[in-house]
Amino acid sequence: AQSVTQPDIHITVSEGASLELRCNYSYGATPYLFWYVQSPGQGLQLLLKYFSGDTLVQGIKGFEAEFKRSQSSFNLRKPSVHWSDAAEYFCAATNFGNEKLTFGTGTRLTIIP
Amino acid sequence: DTGVSQNPRHKITKRGQNVTFRCDPISEHNRLYWYRQTLGQGPEFLTYFQNEAQLEKSRLLSDRFSAERPKGSFSTLEIQRTEQGDSAMYLCASSPAGGRSYNEQFFGPGTRLTVL
Repeated sequence: AQSVTQPDIHITVSEGASLELRCNYSYGATPYLFWYVQSPGQGLQLLLKYFSGDTLVQGIKGFEAEFKRSQSSFNLRKPSVHWSDAAEYFCAATNFGNEKLTFGTGTRLTIIP
Repeated sequence: DTGVSQNPRHKITKRGQNVTFRCDPISEHNRLYWYRQTLGQGPEFLTYFQNEAQLEKSRLLSDRFSAERPKGSFSTLEIQRTEQGDSAMYLCASSPAGGRSYNEQFFGPGTRLTVL
């Protein structure tokens, strides 16, 4: 079955520190991969996506993610977090011809001063 | 256009009542999706429309749930005889037919349903 796993339920980092959020997928075909961010009371906002090509993708707000086929991973990174990055982060996947997104359970990010 | 809109934002109802939610997608997006998100979980797919045709439904969508998109624009999601287990955030998303944004889904703010 197709699935997306986010192993970390909650992560706390200091403002200015680097960040890496983990995402692993299980898909038969090459997946399309996404990272979304959800702030309280807000909808899901797309940070970045991977369809094909360069395995390192750049997104909004200074985020990037790297697709590693050998590890079935699509981890999200940011070199220096800001207090405004505190939110819930969701990894999602689909594939060609499939209209539904499969989401992970999310990682809640807390930023400490 | 400012994005996908959903109404109401919050709905509190008593068990057994019917509720209806509305979603207005980004104009010119012909694909529309409904997801449900419970506390501590990621969104789960419910159903998908291409124009006015409902092309896929999840097994999560019991016979108490019905979704429509009568003119290929806005969509409604109705839940009949609500149960406490229906309490969740109901998310709507839309996407364009093709091009570089294929399969990129734009989400609305959601409707939070509380069933007492």
